[in-house]
Amino acid sequence: NAGVTQTPKFQVLKTGQSMTLQCAQDMNHNSMYWYRQDPGMGLRLIYYSASEGTTDKGEVPNGYNVSRLNKREFSLRLESAAPSQTSVYFCASSEVTHHFGNGTRLTVT
Amino acid sequence: AQSVTQPDIHITVSEGASLELRCNYSYGATPYLFWYVQSPGQGLQLLLKYFSGDTLVQGIKGFEAEFKRSQSSFNLRKPSVHWSDAAEYFCAVTDSSYKLIFGSGTRLLVRP
Repeated sequence: NAGVTQTPKFQVLKTGQSMTLQCAQDMNHNSMYWYRQDPGMGLRLIYYSASEGTTDKGEVPNGYNVSRLNKREFSLRLESAAPSQTSVYFCASSEVTHHFGNGTRLTVT
Repeated sequence: AQSVTQPDIHITVSEGASLELRCNYSYGATPYLFWYVQSPGQGLQLLLKYFSGDTLVQGIKGFEAEFKRSQSSFNLRKPSVHWSDAAEYFCAVTDSSYKLIFGSGTRLLVRP
């Protein structure tokens, strides 16, 4: 039972490049989330999906897009990466209690 | 708006000493409260949670937390800290749609 799986684990981008962070869960949860973690700021919600086919903005959505591909998968896309998006990104799934992936460490130069 | 405050950025304790990490929340309804732990370079692991009922909740690794509605607090405690407890600890509260709102975290350092 893998839980929540994120890929890749590490990524370095140049400013303006695009990329997609992948997330999959095998717990049959309806809700999925993308958070970013920055030093001294805890985790902040970027986007979430309460169920398959729905997505909503969180606290810090600017510069990101998401796709809830099916019940298992929820991807986060950076269309034109900026240095301010250097962060650690966590995906989570839940019914009530969040289960987190191990994170993607992204550096934008 | 909901918020979570962890007033201590860093705490240092000696191994074997007791520990209390503070958490205060702002939420209009009855909150669901959580404590997570994060070791360096790792994801977040759930320590314990409070939904309702007994206000003293037990978690993994010997941790406990007490919900005090009158003080809007959910402090995490451990009677005897081990070196392996050194990590960052996050308090969080869910809103009505189960999105988590996190505090900024407390980094625990353990002196040998």
